[in-house]
Amino acid sequence: DTAVSQTPKYLVTQMGNDKSIKCEQNLGHDTMYWYKQDSKKFLKIMFSYNNKELIINETVPNRFSPKSPDKAHLNLHINSLELGDSAVYFCASSQDAGGTYEQYFGPGTRLTVT
Amino acid sequence: RKEVEQDPGPFNVPEGATVAFNCTYSNSASQSFFWYRQDCRKEPKLLMSVYSSGNEDGRFTAQLNRASQYISLLIRDSKLSDSATYLCVVMNTGFQKLVFGTGTRLLVSP
Repeated sequence: DTAVSQTPKYLVTQMGNDKSIKCEQNLGHDTMYWYKQDSKKFLKIMFSYNNKELIINETVPNRFSPKSPDKAHLNLHINSLELGDSAVYFCASSQDAGGTYEQYFGPGTRLTVT
Repeated sequence: RKEVEQDPGPFNVPEGATVAFNCTYSNSASQSFFWYRQDCRKEPKLLMSVYSSGNEDGRFTAQLNRASQYISLLIRDSKLSDSATYLCVVMNTGFQKLVFGTGTRLLVSP
């Protein structure tokens, strides 16, 4: 069974479009995250939700809007896509905040903006 | 200055070799430390946590020096399957915010 799943796996779209990436975890974790890995392979956190509440919001353009309908799902909507948004977006989840809990990553969504 | 610094490599080693990776972090308030492994075009996966006392998991040994803000990973008897990028990761105080280094690439050859 897949622990953290993301759809789609690949996304190719044109500048200016709006797109969404979906994430689901079946681990019963309380906290979910979105990370961006750029072309230089640098992995950086974007957002984190704990029990549907936004707890980490890094300096990310307003065009990016996360939504957590329930604690098992965390979606990422991107408006007016730009070339610089091309990257791999990883969803992750972990047990409740505090402690040294492992973060489990999804397989990633490779976004290419043309 | 990046919050977590690593030598990007690549480190090219033959099978059976011992290889060590180092990492430094700048935030003295960092509370937890990890090594993650990322295979090409795959997601990162936790390799091991790093404790002040040092810890070992099979062929892998991790060390933390809080005074020097330095983390290390030693791999003994390298296998071809160890070829991957090794990410040094620190967790700062607060809500499990992980800060990743850019990774060190390891290539193990026959």
